[in-house]
Amino acid sequence: DAKTTQPPSMDCAEGRAANLPCNHSTISGNEYVYWYRQIHSQGPQYIIHGLKNNETNEMASLIITEDRKSSTLILPHATLRDTAVYYCIVRGGNYQLIWGAGTKLIIKP
Amino acid sequence: GAVVSQHPSRVICKSGTSVKIECRSLDFQATTMFWYRQFPKQSLMLMATSNEGSKATYEQGVEKDKFLINHASLTLSTLTVTSAHPEDSSFYICSARDNPGGPYNEQFFGPGTRLTVL
Repeated sequence: DAKTTQPPSMDCAEGRAANLPCNHSTISGNEYVYWYRQIHSQGPQYIIHGLKNNETNEMASLIITEDRKSSTLILPHATLRDTAVYYCIVRGGNYQLIWGAGTKLIIKP
Repeated sequence: GAVVSQHPSRVICKSGTSVKIECRSLDFQATTMFWYRQFPKQSLMLMATSNEGSKATYEQGVEKDKFLINHASLTLSTLTVTSAHPEDSSFYICSARDNPGGPYNEQFFGPGTRLTVL
């Protein structure tokens, strides 16, 4: 499974868009990009996933570069409740998720 | 939809005892369930993958005789930590996923179980 690289931490002002980058330069053609988040002492929460095209749902948008070597998760209007560790994961066909260190996102009032 | 529950949410036990943790998919049939362990300020580490009706597949370094996994039905998997020791104290999290054609084909996670071994 391809490895991902994320900044260890980021701050964002409440109400602003939070843009979380992820590098996955070794991703292969059949691997998906997944995003989960984990609020302190809770189980991870699924956010969004994509293969090639940009994706949007009620929680976030996922922008994947054309060469698929990087992606950005966008939370359009961050709230204090979005403070969490965000994990970018590349998932292959065996459905296993290999977790990196993630980005600790802190939303500030 | 796609709710996964765990029980208990936290447990404290004495060293040498065994602890059972249950993971249930409440509104879908989980063909596959995964068990993770998370130490403080660390990421999730996959322990094992379990498919309903078959033996679990353990990750390298995880002792199958110590961490017994049973996936007897499509909605329930259990993890038993046998002869628990203080170093087994951790946050244990399960996830479940539907079959490939089903609506819940992603991994959905339970709320976790905090195990403290005295």
